[in-house]
Parts: sequence; C-alpha cells; structure tokens
Amino acid sequence: DSGVTQTPKHLITATGQRVTLRCSPRSGDLSVYWYQQSLDQGLQFLIQYYNGEERAKGNILERFSAQQFPDLHSELNLSSLELGDSALYFCASSLQGQETQYFGPGTRLLVL
Amino acid sequence: EDQVTQSPEALRLQEGESSSLNCSYTVSGLRGLFWYRQDPGKGPEFLFTLYSAGEEKEKERLKATLTKKESFLHITAPKPEDSATYLCAVRKNYGGSQGNLIFGKGTKLSVKP
Repeated sequence: DSGVTQTPKHLITATGQRVTLRCSPRSGDLSVYWYQQSLDQGLQFLIQYYNGEERAKGNILERFSAQQFPDLHSELNLSSLELGDSALYFCASSLQGQETQYFGPGTRLLVL
Repeated sequence: EDQVTQSPEALRLQEGESSSLNCSYTVSGLRGLFWYRQDPGKGPEFLFTLYSAGEEKEKERLKATLTKKESFLHITAPKPEDSATYLCAVRKNYGGSQGNLIFGKGTKLSVKP
C-alpha cells in the first residue's frame, strides 16, 4: 500500500459526459501528479500540482482540468468524454517535486 | 526529443533463469532514473531510484545499474511471483518543484515454474 488513495476504482460512462476522479496523496506530500495509461501509449504525464498551485503540464487535453485543494487532495475533471479517453488514470504524490513518486491504485475509466 | 526506450517488450523466463532488462534514454539533464513494477490493473510500485552513472541498487532478486545512456534491471534466479511489467522512468533537471516523469512502455516479464 503506497498511501495514495484514488476513487472511484471503476467508472463507466457515455460519450459526451463529464466525470471527476479524486486523489488523496500520502500524508505530508505536497505534490500531486496525474498520469494516463492506455494500452498503446503507456504512462503519459498529464499535470502536476504543488501545494495548491499548478506546477507543470504535459499532454493534457483542453477538455481535462484539475485542481488541488487546501487539504492537498486533488481532482481531475474530464469533460465531453470520447471513446478514446478510456484508460487507467493514476495519481502519484511526492514530498515536493524532486523525490520519488508513489502511485495510487488508479481509476479505470470506460467510455461507451 | 526526450525519450525512454525499454527492451525487450516481453520476456519469458523459466524459474531460476537469470536475465536483464534494458532501459535506454535520451534526456537533457537527467535528474534521476526510476524503476517501477506494475501488476495488471494495479498502480506502479516503486523499486529503485538511481542518480548517477555507476550507481547500483539491490533489492532481493533485483539489481539496478545506471550508465550515462542506459540502465539495466538484472533479475537473478527469478520466481513466478516476479512476473509483472517493469517500467523505467526518468526525471529531467527542471529546477524548482517540477518533477514529472517520462516513462518507457515497459517490459512484460513472465516467469514460468
């Protein structure tokens, strides 16, 4: 158990819908990262928050957004969902930004 | 372009048959190379961090090494429970608190009894 929690574990929704994925980092960690894992692309970095502020952006679509709250939990919002958004979404956390990242169990999203 | 390439894509071993997994990288300003293990449908599990060429780290049957262009994950006398996908990732020297990882596509290891 890495100490990073993610909810929900599974999510099934329809095209065009909007969903919210939630992540709670390890106790004391200030940085939260979101990654997407699909079969053909591997793990792709989406976005990083550090102590409530956006720190880095990767290949994140404009339909996707995230935020980190004062209690340091983070939410990833996915809107106008398409079939191709079906993937595993992982959250990771680290103390600040230069340390080992520990991953949560992931949310499996299926868009029908 | 920053890139991480892992080989082979898949590896089948008999129990006890030692082998190595390769991770080659082209990154400007390496600030750490990471190995993770991932079981199907689960999150990546941290194994090792390597920071400089010549560094080695060991954990049970696994040993990770780092050169200026690649890293190897050596598996000695593997057991069926070592079957998993092994992921390699690098972090660039971004400065500040930016710390996102660039992952390879992984090596899927199967160990048969």
